[in-house]
Amino acid sequence: QKEVEQDPGPLSVPEGAIVSLNCTYSNSAFQYFMWYRQYSRKGPELLMYTYSSGNKEDGRFTAQVDKSSKYISLFIRDSQPSDSATYLCAMTGSARQLTFGSGTQLTVLP
Amino acid sequence: GAVVSQHPSWVICKSGTSVKIECRSLDFQATTMFWYRQFPKQSLMLMATSNEGSKATYEQGVEKDKFLINHASLTLSTLTVTSAHPEDSSFYICSGEEGGKNIQYFGAGTRLSVL
Repeated sequence: QKEVEQDPGPLSVPEGAIVSLNCTYSNSAFQYFMWYRQYSRKGPELLMYTYSSGNKEDGRFTAQVDKSSKYISLFIRDSQPSDSATYLCAMTGSARQLTFGSGTQLTVLP
Repeated sequence: GAVVSQHPSWVICKSGTSVKIECRSLDFQATTMFWYRQFPKQSLMLMATSNEGSKATYEQGVEKDKFLINHASLTLSTLTVTSAHPEDSSFYICSGEEGGKNIQYFGAGTRLSVL
């Protein structure tokens, strides 16, 4: 079993839809949780960063962390075609190395 | 967010030659930098971790003599692929971590094609 599980998709939604992306993990030592967006042939771009459990909102993006369930989510409201990309969850504990999910490929159809 | 500049974005070289990739943190000091490799439709695979002024720590299976990493300053790390072969063709990405913040900021990546 992988330390971080993420549904690879692909996921297609119409423009304006609410998108829900999720990851589960098994290592209870993880405390720092991140979501990255990666466009084709580009490096990952940090979208959201959360420490421990809770919610964080930034514009159209909301990140949720539930450490008791070892489950994290990213919600995208009013999705746009420009949101079409691969979304990677990543997490770490005291060690600096990130453990990544496999990435979810999202397409927002105009 | 913090900016990491990676150069070149794309390089084509002949088999047997060496290629150097630069990674610079532009607006923060990266005490730790990471180098990743990514194959199509796969997630990032960590190759090595380097701290400024120290030797890099390589992941299992990564040849340290083939992938030379230098982290001479808090804003610059380089990866040199020595004697490149076609199987080294891949997408290489660096990241920098600002001291103690557990957040990595990534460069735009370098596409290496070895003929």
